[in-house]
Order: sequence, then structure tokens, then C-alpha cells
Amino acid sequence: DTGVSQNPRHKITKRGQNVTFRCDPISEHNRLYWYRQTLGQGPEFLTYFQNEAQLEKSRLLSDRFSAERPKGSFSTLEIQRTEQGDSAMYLCASSLVSGIPYEQYFGPGTRLTVT
Amino acid sequence: AQKVTQAQTEISVVEKEDVTLDCVYETRDTTYYLFWYKQPPSGELVFLIRRNSFDEQNEISGRYSWNFQKSTSSFNFTITASQVVDSAVYFCALSEAGSGSNYKLTFGKGTLLTVNP
Repeated sequence: DTGVSQNPRHKITKRGQNVTFRCDPISEHNRLYWYRQTLGQGPEFLTYFQNEAQLEKSRLLSDRFSAERPKGSFSTLEIQRTEQGDSAMYLCASSLVSGIPYEQYFGPGTRLTVT
Repeated sequence: AQKVTQAQTEISVVEKEDVTLDCVYETRDTTYYLFWYKQPPSGELVFLIRRNSFDEQNEISGRYSWNFQKSTSSFNFTITASQVVDSAVYFCALSEAGSGSNYKLTFGKGTLLTVNP
């Protein structure tokens, strides 16, 4: 299977703990996006990488959030001092770089529950 | 700022009925792209279609068809002869394509379609 993969699929943590999620994009895709989806809502953009460079961060991404994409391959999203409001599905997507926006391929997501 | 509105929160139909999902968008860019994604109960978003702002031709793919009307800023999705397997949440999304764009997607809130046997 050469789709986007995300790990873990589910994470339950206590408020105040740190969590880290991983995304492995489709191998030839240069663009990588993180989105957050809460119940009954559409995904909301968090941040974007082109290769290893993080080129945009949403204002939804507070100082407790940090994302990396070392060597332009996999990406990690870390949330420090989790809060109950962080409970959501975190989605990763990848696409090709081109003059037009190729469709973004989404991973299965990591569902975070903060208790 | 860009915005996508899907006014229908939930739709329920009986198998073999036709159903149309509405999508209205707002953007200041003259070049943009519109998308539909399907999110089945398993949760993974599945790409269905991409249209650019310069191509208003309607598109048909099997039982799916899309109607893009720039005059009303709408990009509606019709499923003909619906099937139980079509049950899912459907999202309309917009990507602005101006200079320096990173093509991030702005999604609507989605429409939950339930097709009953």
C-alpha cells in the first residue's frame, strides 16, 4: 500500500501530557499538510510543508503545537501540555508540487482524546 | 477570506433515489479550484473531483455528476440512483491559486448522506 499512513491511529492521553503523531506521505509527494477535524465539522488547515520547509502555519496552531518534516520525508506533529480542547482527529495529506493543485491524498488520521 | 458553505447538514434518501448535495463558495481570487471529498464511516477522506475556476463544463462520472456555476458561486454534486454504499459525509472544498498560494483546502462543514435500503 503506497498511500499516506499515520501513526498512531488512536491516542488517549491525560490533560497536560505531551503527544506526538507521525505522518508518512506518498513517497514522491513534496507537499505535506496537517489538518484538524472536530466532530461535525470539516477539516481545518493547520500547517503546510514543501519538502522540509514549513511555509505556513494557521493561527489555530498555538505555541503548544509544533510540526517538523526532517529531510522532506515523514512529518511529526507534537502537542505539548494537551488540553481537552485538543481532542480531535488530526489528518495528514500529501500532494505533488506543480503549477496546479493536484488533489491531496489523506491519511486515515490520528484520533486524539484528552481526558 | 475564502469560505465554503454546505447548507444541508443531513440528507436521508431511499435507495435508487437521486440526490443533490449543495455547495456555495466565497473567494476573492479569480483563479481557484473546487473539490469534493467523500468520508465514509471508516474516516478516510477520498478524493472525488477537482474543477478549476475557468472550466464551467459539467462533469459526469458514472452515477456522479457535478454542476459548476460561477454566476451563483455554486458547485453542486448529484448522485443518480443512490446506493447504500454512498452513505457517507461529503465535503466540498476550495483552494485558492493566487500568487504564493500553498493550495491549502478550505472545507465546508459537510453533508451526511444516509441511503436507506
